[in-house]
Formats: sequence, structure tokens, C-alpha cells
Amino acid sequence: DTGVSQNPRHKITKRGQNVTFRCDPISEHNRLYWYRQTLGQGPEFLTYFQNEAQLEKSRLLSDRFSAERPKGSFSTLEIQRTEQGDSAMYLCASSYLDTQYFGPGTRLTVL
Amino acid sequence: AQRVTQPEKLLSVFKGAPVELKCNYSYSGSPELFWYVQYSRQRLQLLLRHISRESIKGFTADLNKGETSFHLKKPFAQEEDSAMYYCALTALGAGSYQLTFGKGTKLSVIP
Repeated sequence: DTGVSQNPRHKITKRGQNVTFRCDPISEHNRLYWYRQTLGQGPEFLTYFQNEAQLEKSRLLSDRFSAERPKGSFSTLEIQRTEQGDSAMYLCASSYLDTQYFGPGTRLTVL
Repeated sequence: AQRVTQPEKLLSVFKGAPVELKCNYSYSGSPELFWYVQYSRQRLQLLLRHISRESIKGFTADLNKGETSFHLKKPFAQEEDSAMYYCALTALGAGSYQLTFGKGTKLSVIP
């Protein structure tokens, strides 16, 4: 296990298309987080899972965004009807308690 | 609401000079503070957390509750310290441990 992995690393899409990202956490970690990072900003919290339950969602997570974590293992983040404002780095992190370990991120570009 | 402020976007120091990266926070409860670092082309990684009171790579940070600050310090900067540094906060006992990040400070160590 080499840490949190994310796929794809880069995604270019046209406005209006749907995209899905995957995150594979560190295997024994029960907590999984999604963050979004735009240029010049720090990461911003989107949503949090404990095992398979999605326990918190930020107001940044509009109804076009949905996240799942079936069986408490990997997680997917889907964005429907992408907009240019969705262009960002999407980061996944996992933890057992309070120290979060981050993946390399998926960079989304919406044309 | 939680807020983290890093007043400097960019900090340039000469090799061997002392470094201080500023971080101020706003939170009414009990915070846990972290410093994360991102080296060029690498993922975000934990540098240190205030609860552990460790010194990592020569860096230290002291939580000052009176001044609501968690400044990162190193007595002698090295070229390999050049990176992006993010201060982050989580609410102790809140359950999710979601992180609130500052906007980051880019440290450039001049040879």
C-alpha cells in the first residue's frame, strides 16, 4: 500500500458533460474526505465519509455533485453538467483518526 | 465558523537565515492545528501537528491560544525547504475532523 491513490490524474471535459473521479484510500482508514483546490487557494472541504456513510457535506457541494463510498472502501465523486467554474484540483484524503493523508489529486479542466 | 489566515503569499529568505511562516486562526472551540507542506510536483503531506509537539525537519510550531496563532519556525533555512506551506485547523471533538486550510505561503530559499 503506497498511500492514497486517485484516478484519473487529469481530466479535460467540455462544459455540460458528466465526470467521475475515483479515490482509493489507505486500506485500514475508515474516514475519507474530498476537498477542492482552486488556484491561489488552500484546499476546501467538500464531503466526508465514515466507512460507507456520508456524514457531512459542505455548502460548496451543489446538487450537481454526488459522492459515494460503497462498502466503505473506494469512493467516487461525480459532477454532472460540468461548468467552467468546476475547474479545479480535486483532492481525496483518508484517515483512521485525525491525521489525514492526501492523494495526488485529479485536475479537472472544463472547456 | 473556522478560519485560518496566512498573511504572506510568498516568503523569500536566504539559505541559513531563520524562517517564520505566520498562521492565525479563528475558532471559538478547541482547535487542533496542523502544518502541511507541498513540495514541487508532490502531494500534500503532513509536516507537524501541535498535539504531538514534535520537531520535523528542524521545523517547530507553538500554539499560542492568547494570540490565536500557530507560526511555523526554523532557525536555519535550507534550499530543500522551498515549498508551499499550508496551515490547517480542525475542531477537536467535532466528529468529522474536516480540515480548514489557509491560502498557503510559498517559501523560497535563496542559495
